[in-house]
Amino acid sequence: GQNIDQPTEMTATEGAIVQINCTYQTSGFNGLFWYQQHAGEAPTFLSYNVLDGLEEKGRFSSFLSRSKGYSYLLLKELQMKDSASYLCARLDSNYQLIWGAGTKLIIKP
Amino acid sequence: NAGVTQTPKFRILKIGQSMTLQCTQDMNHNYMYWYRQDPGMGLKLIYYSVGAGITDKGEVPNGYNVSRSTTEDFPLRLELAAPSQTSVYFCASSPGTSDIDEQFFGPGTRLTVL
Repeated sequence: GQNIDQPTEMTATEGAIVQINCTYQTSGFNGLFWYQQHAGEAPTFLSYNVLDGLEEKGRFSSFLSRSKGYSYLLLKELQMKDSASYLCARLDSNYQLIWGAGTKLIIKP
Repeated sequence: NAGVTQTPKFRILKIGQSMTLQCTQDMNHNYMYWYRQDPGMGLKLIYYSVGAGITDKGEVPNGYNVSRSTTEDFPLRLELAAPSQTSVYFCASSPGTSDIDEQFFGPGTRLTVL
């Protein structure tokens, strides 16, 4: 199918590092997006990966392994404002986004 | 720029009623999308448009209709509302210059059908 799997919820401590994993179907793959969504708000773009490897953008990094159908989002130096849901989305062969259900990240002081 | 705007923010409908969810973008984007987001589920694509006068079905189009008469506006019409259409509806747009453009989302419309 078109399943995208990511953990439902994660908890981390302020100032720490957290890795949010995402696995997806590899056929018809045209790239992998990560979006952030605060409760009651719209998703906002974080990153896009189409080639294998790590893309770093400030405190946030995203990794892709196309052969394994695997991506992760790495958040460093966690801040309370990082409490949000993180949505993994695969760009399919029709260039449409197939979305995971999101990972709710809870940051504790 | 206001970006992507949606109205209304909230709405309660009775079963069988109809309504139009409005979406406008002022970024001159070619591509526009309508998604619904149910609790614990990923965003599902309802309809999308690659330009004025062109619309296409997404993954879950049944019970909805769209039109795209201008670049700026992409209204979503619900005919004969059903409880299964209770959801949060997001409109999004992207430049359309590349298939890998990021999408910009509106604030959402929270719809309840009773």
